[in-house]
Order: sequence, then structure tokens, then C-alpha cells
Amino acid sequence: SAVISQKPSRDICQRGTSLTIQCQVDSQVTMMFWYRQQPGQSLTLIATANQGSEATYESGFVIDKFPISRPNLTFSTLTVSNMSPEDSSIYLCSVGRAGGPTDTQYFGPGTRLTVL
Amino acid sequence: GENVEQHPSTLSVQEGDSAVIKCTYSDSASNYFPWYKQELGKGPQLIIDIRSNVGEKKDQRIAVTLNKTAKHFSLHITETQPEDSAVYFCAATTDSWGKLQFGAGTQVVVTP
Repeated sequence: SAVISQKPSRDICQRGTSLTIQCQVDSQVTMMFWYRQQPGQSLTLIATANQGSEATYESGFVIDKFPISRPNLTFSTLTVSNMSPEDSSIYLCSVGRAGGPTDTQYFGPGTRLTVL
Repeated sequence: GENVEQHPSTLSVQEGDSAVIKCTYSDSASNYFPWYKQELGKGPQLIIDIRSNVGEKKDQRIAVTLNKTAKHFSLHITETQPEDSAVYFCAATTDSWGKLQFGAGTQVVVTP
């Protein structure tokens, strides 16, 4: 498995501001993903963070709102821009390695965001 | 795209009893089915997974079964303990490192 850390672990922000969440992995991984989990709900994929190129966004999520960077194989950031109370959620990164029968996705501890 | 349905939404069991959670998927191309346990305030933790070339997999008190024909898979927890209390999510994907489609989750409460 992979050891994944996220910063910050939680934050309370004012509407209209932006927050950047960091995801750090202890080893190189092929795939990094960002998910959103709204209160009491399941996980929804925001985007796949591609190393060295633009992220691939899922339907309903756009780059202007959720810009993502992935400068190398162990680090990614997600920015939640121009926040509103509806953005209050847990944001999770997950990682996976391509290839091999035992590879799978592992999740970080999450960033709990409250927007006032 | 893939759609995963999960039942029940809540499950209360007495300590020592068994718990079963069922999921169905829509995309016959899905070939990887992980289960995650999420405790309050934590990220989802992978507890077991199964691939489409296997019908059943067991790890101590946890087992997963897969019926490809019916497109459903189930999580079985035997001899439940209070520390099994959590939200459990099933998921499906066509690649183990690809986009996961999650079920809605099952809140399991184990009472002593």
C-alpha cells in the first residue's frame, strides 16, 4: 500500500476565497485522483491528476473551479476556487499504480472543508 | 457509464452476528470490485477486493462474492465486533487503477 498525507486536514473558509489542498505520497504512483464527498454522501470523482499535463475532469467539474496541478509522481494539489457554502465537503485524494494484479487505489485521510 | 447500487443503507447487527451488504453494477465490462471501510473522520480504507476472474475471496472475518452473470457482488462480515461499526462502500471499475464508481454506502452499527 501507499502512505498518503493531505494538508490541511481541515479548514473553515469564507465564501469567495480559495483553498489549495495538497496530497503527498511516499512513493511514485502512476495515477492520482481527487474525489469529493459531500456530507453524509458517497464519493464522487472530480478529476484525474495527470503528471505533466492538464487534469482530466469529470462531468460537472471544471478547471476554473477546481484547478489541479501534478508536478511529479508523488505530489498533487487541488484548489477550490471562489468558494460557496455548497463547496463544504470532504476532499480526498487517491493513488494507484498501473499494471499488476495486486494494484489498487488507496485514499488519503481527507481534507474537511467548511465554507461560511 | 457505470452505475452501482448498494443495499441496505443502514444495517444494525448484534455483536457476534454476521452482516451482509449487497451491490449491483450495470457495466458488464467492469472487472474490479473493491470494498472500502470509512470510519468517522477518516478516509476510506480498502478492506478487500475481488477481480472478475474470481468468484469468492476471503480474508479472516471478511469475504466477498461475485456473480458476474447477475452483475452483483456482496460483502460478508462474520463474528461482527464493535470496531466493525463504520460506513462501507462498494465500488466497480474496468481497471484497478481507473475511475471508481461508488455505491451510496452502508452504515453498519454493531451493538454489544
